[in-house]
Amino acid sequence: DAGITQSPRHKVTETGTPVTLRCHQTENHRYMYWYRQDPGHGLRLIHYSYGVKDTDKGEVSDGYSVSRSKTEDFLLTLESATSSQTSVYFCAIKVGVGEETQYFGPGTRLLVL
Amino acid sequence: AQSVTQLDSQVPVFEEAPVELRCNYSSSVSVYLFWYVQYPNQGLQLLLKYLSGSTLVESINGFEAEFNKSQTSFHLRKPSVHISDTAEYFCAVSEDSGTYKYIFGTGTRLKVLA
Repeated sequence: DAGITQSPRHKVTETGTPVTLRCHQTENHRYMYWYRQDPGHGLRLIHYSYGVKDTDKGEVSDGYSVSRSKTEDFLLTLESATSSQTSVYFCAIKVGVGEETQYFGPGTRLLVL
Repeated sequence: AQSVTQLDSQVPVFEEAPVELRCNYSSSVSVYLFWYVQYPNQGLQLLLKYLSGSTLVESINGFEAEFNKSQTSFHLRKPSVHISDTAEYFCAVSEDSGTYKYIFGTGTRLKVLA
């Protein structure tokens, strides 16, 4: 258990509405990541953060924004949700110096109607 | 560009039989390699990893994987599977670039049959 929580765990929303997913860690790790998981695609990186207010895009960042105003929280926002953003979203953290390993949160299931 | 290929989307195998799940990657720089397991309706759990040193790495539940640089592979093996090994397995690669970003394969569903 790497001390990662995600909220909400499940959400149903309508097309065009804004949605914010939260990832919270308790151990002050610098690197945090947001992925989406879709059948046939595995996990794909949306955005990542390497410190407070330091973020960068991943391979599927269109339609998503992120913010990190404090070390423990990394927020993923869908400004105007679309049905193509129906997915399972995972947050991950990289643990330790010289330790290249990511540990994952429990995931958020998002359904956009 | 970095990429990961898991050629087998599904692998059915009988209980107590051996299994190999294949993973190939492409990269022009040094890499770190990982296998994660996902049980139904759960998150991803680290199964094993190769960072450096011995090319053969093992997990606590009997899986092993071998880093083969010449063949750019990191296949996962288990000599005797159990029903409880039924899950989806993901291979991931991270380049030694300082961002620690992963590229994942598309996953292999292992179905262990009684």
